[in-house]
Order: sequence, then structure tokens, then C-alpha cells
Amino acid sequence: QSALTQPRSVSGSPGQSVTISCTGTSSDVGGYNYVSWFQQHPGKAPKLMIYDVTKRPSGVPDRFSGSKSGNTASLTIAGLQSEDEADYYCCSYAGSYTLVFGGGTKLTAL
Amino acid sequence: EVQLVESGGGLVKPGGSLRLSCAVSGFTFSSHNMNWLRQTPGKGLEWVSSISSSSSYISYADSLKGRFTISRDNAKNSLYLQMNSLRAEDTAIYYCARQAGGTPDYWGQGTLVTVSS
Repeated sequence: QSALTQPRSVSGSPGQSVTISCTGTSSDVGGYNYVSWFQQHPGKAPKLMIYDVTKRPSGVPDRFSGSKSGNTASLTIAGLQSEDEADYYCCSYAGSYTLVFGGGTKLTAL
Repeated sequence: EVQLVESGGGLVKPGGSLRLSCAVSGFTFSSHNMNWLRQTPGKGLEWVSSISSSSSYISYADSLKGRFTISRDNAKNSLYLQMNSLRAEDTAIYYCARQAGGTPDYWGQGTLVTVSS
């Protein structure tokens, strides 16, 4: 049950694209198409942005997209906006009714 | 509207116990696996425990070492977490979350547990 690996911080200018990576193992990210991404603003509960690697819940802008290659998943935010500045966490199903999260990435909109 | 409301958090001394509750509405509780997750102050998210829809399957994070017990009452649309032998490192906001497929899709607002003498 080791945490998934995310960069501690990323940044980008408004309008740019940023990508956050999430690296696990064949027992979690690589083994299941159940990677999800959460956005968290200070003092708020996490909000689901991407699930099942690539799917967006209703209401999430299509600027947010997800992908996976092997044991690494990625969240890409196109056309960065100031309100996208937040913490982002990846999560993967890891079998046997368990989940594992990444350590979180702080996104700064310059 | 899907709603999950946690309660039962508070200040407890090291070695003490607390029981968290999560009341849900807006979906068929008995059809979903459920989770407890936590977030330590200023730090990341951690999965704590999961329970299947009929309570047949239960799992816990290795770090808990048998101190926590998850349960549910489908007749009351409620999820519980009994926490014993609490330690300072258990201080966190505890969230309950609905599971859909492999995703904890809906979360409550959380309840704060503080373990301190």
C-alpha cells in the first residue's frame, strides 16, 4: 500500500497547458483502468475531476483530460485558468477493495 | 441529490476511542461499497478502510494495525468507523465516500478528529 508518486508542485501561465503525472505499479495504476483525479481548494472537500482514467463527471470542463500509459497516469489541464489553482490528487483502485492515493500536487497559476 | 454527512469527530486523548458516523441520502446505499478516507492537516489523502455493499468484504490500510473497525447499517443508510487506541498521528479530517466502480465518487464534508493530551 505505497502511495502513488506525484510531483509536489507544477505551475503554468493562464492559457497554457499543464500536465500532472501519477506513477504507481502494476498492482494499482498499471493493473486497473480505475484511476481518478481530485481537485481540492483550501478548506474544501476533494472534488472528482476524472474517473476511470479518461472520463469526466457531468459539469467538469472539457479542459480537464486524463490518460494512462503503463504504470503512469496523467492529468492535463488545457487553457489554464486562475480558478484551476488548487491541489490535485490521483487515486487508483489497488485490488481487494483497496484504494491508494498520490501525495498531491500543488498547481500554481502564474 | 447525493449527500453524505459525517459526525462524531472531536478531541480525544491518546489511547482513547471515537466512533464516526456517516449518514447518506440521495442514492441506494445498499447497492454501493463505501470508504473511509482521511487527510492529515496540511498533508495528503489516505485511504483508511472499505466495506462492500453487504458487508461481506472489508479491508483496511496496513498502517491501522487492527485498531479501526468499519461497519454499516443498510436499514439506517449509515456507515460507521470505530477507532480505538488512537494516536497523535491519527489526527486528521475523516471523510466517508461512496464507491462507484473503482472510484470514490461522492464525498462528505468531513469530520475533524484531534488526538491530543
